[in-house]
Amino acid sequence: DIVMTQSPLSLPVTPGEPASISCRSSQSLLQSNGYNYLDWYLQKPGQSPQLLIYLGSSRASGVPAKFSGSGSGTDFTLKISRVEAEDVGIYFCMQALQTPFAFGPGTKVDIK
Amino acid sequence: QVQLVESGGGVVQAGRSLRLSCEASGFSFTTYGMHWVRQAPGKGLEWVAGLWFDGSNKIYADSVKGRFAISRDNSEDTLYLQMTRLRAEDTALYYCARDRFESYGGGFDYWGQGTLVTVSS
Repeated sequence: DIVMTQSPLSLPVTPGEPASISCRSSQSLLQSNGYNYLDWYLQKPGQSPQLLIYLGSSRASGVPAKFSGSGSGTDFTLKISRVEAEDVGIYFCMQALQTPFAFGPGTKVDIK
Repeated sequence: QVQLVESGGGVVQAGRSLRLSCEASGFSFTTYGMHWVRQAPGKGLEWVAGLWFDGSNKIYADSVKGRFAISRDNSEDTLYLQMTRLRAEDTALYYCARDRFESYGGGFDYWGQGTLVTVSS
């Protein structure tokens, strides 16, 4: 099974500053079609998760451009260009290349 | 607008069964893959099961394989999760989620609010 790790697990951020979260998989998520089957989700306090990024770098509908996903193979990064108070919550990566699908442990982002 | 509404959760004794439902509206249910994802209290997300748009290609997490069964009724726009031989560690908030693809791999772009399952030992 593919195992997902994230770092850091806790990330205090200053509003207006950038933030970056790393996600690593135990096996490559790059399929022969050229796509990386890696998604990013944000779970705001008291809410259901919401999709931010799919296939490694594509922003989901309605997601602001301040969120970007990059990486390939086993190393991926989610970047927030300028953090706002509304961005607090837990960020999860998830591999969807092979079953069983697996989430990372989550990175808790809060305001300093 | 797209809506996913779960129901069927509750308190159940270990070893018993429970069936969860997820009623979909606001989109063409028959053209999307669907999944169940759970979250134990204070914990992270765990993918549980998924199936294709037509009910084929069912897949499961190792932790539930042989005990849980995912299904769908496309005539009723409803997703199900039949849970048997429940264990204390199955206690969680269960979400249904839509895949962007008719199969898998597109990301889960809509989620319900979840239904809470509590298994007492």
